[in-house]
Amino acid sequence: AQKITQTQPGMFVQEKEAVTLDCTYDTSDPSYGLFWYKQPSSGEMIFLIYQGSYDQQNATEGRYSLNFQKARKSANLVISASQLGDSAMYFCAMINQGGKLIFGQGTELSVKP
Amino acid sequence: GAVVSQHPSWVICKSGTSVKIECRSLDFQATTMFWYRQFPKQSLMLMATSNEGSKATYEQGVEKDKFLINHASLTLSTLTVTSAHPEDSSFYICSASPRLSGNTIYFGEGSWLTVV
Repeated sequence: AQKITQTQPGMFVQEKEAVTLDCTYDTSDPSYGLFWYKQPSSGEMIFLIYQGSYDQQNATEGRYSLNFQKARKSANLVISASQLGDSAMYFCAMINQGGKLIFGQGTELSVKP
Repeated sequence: GAVVSQHPSWVICKSGTSVKIECRSLDFQATTMFWYRQFPKQSLMLMATSNEGSKATYEQGVEKDKFLINHASLTLSTLTVTSAHPEDSSFYICSASPRLSGNTIYFGEGSWLTVV
């Protein structure tokens, strides 16, 4: 069975500092993909970053980077230079070969001014 | 603009009635769409996979007679919550991917359902 685990229900970070949101996963599929989404209070799901299981390099998208450690089955999200607008729920998700997205429990990030 | 549109964004219905939520892909055809449910401060839980022209595939524990899914065209899937109860109040959100798009996934805006 596939599983995504986010062990941090809530995180605080000071504005302009970096923060790491943890995500570990479990799957027996040799090919998979990992996503991070941001969900503000409005409910929309905002795509942040994607990492394929065969990608050699860690994914980066602007202030977002994914620290992919395949052997440890972890895919932590690093947000650099936090902004007040980064306050939201963050979800790690894995896509399986059937196209289904399995989500972690989520981490609520609060950025302090 | 939105690539996947969901309607309505908000709906309030009385207990015992049915409510329909639409998920529409605007710029592409989607043979498969996914429906998720989310309670406040919780994760998105996959309810079912909507398959164009065939029956939906439901996840374990999801009542198919209560949550009717119809995918009658390549751009539209509907979720009907039948005989709604207050405990069905939740955020419902759909997703779809264009064919041959790799891992590009588009989400609808979501629908907030309140059953009173």
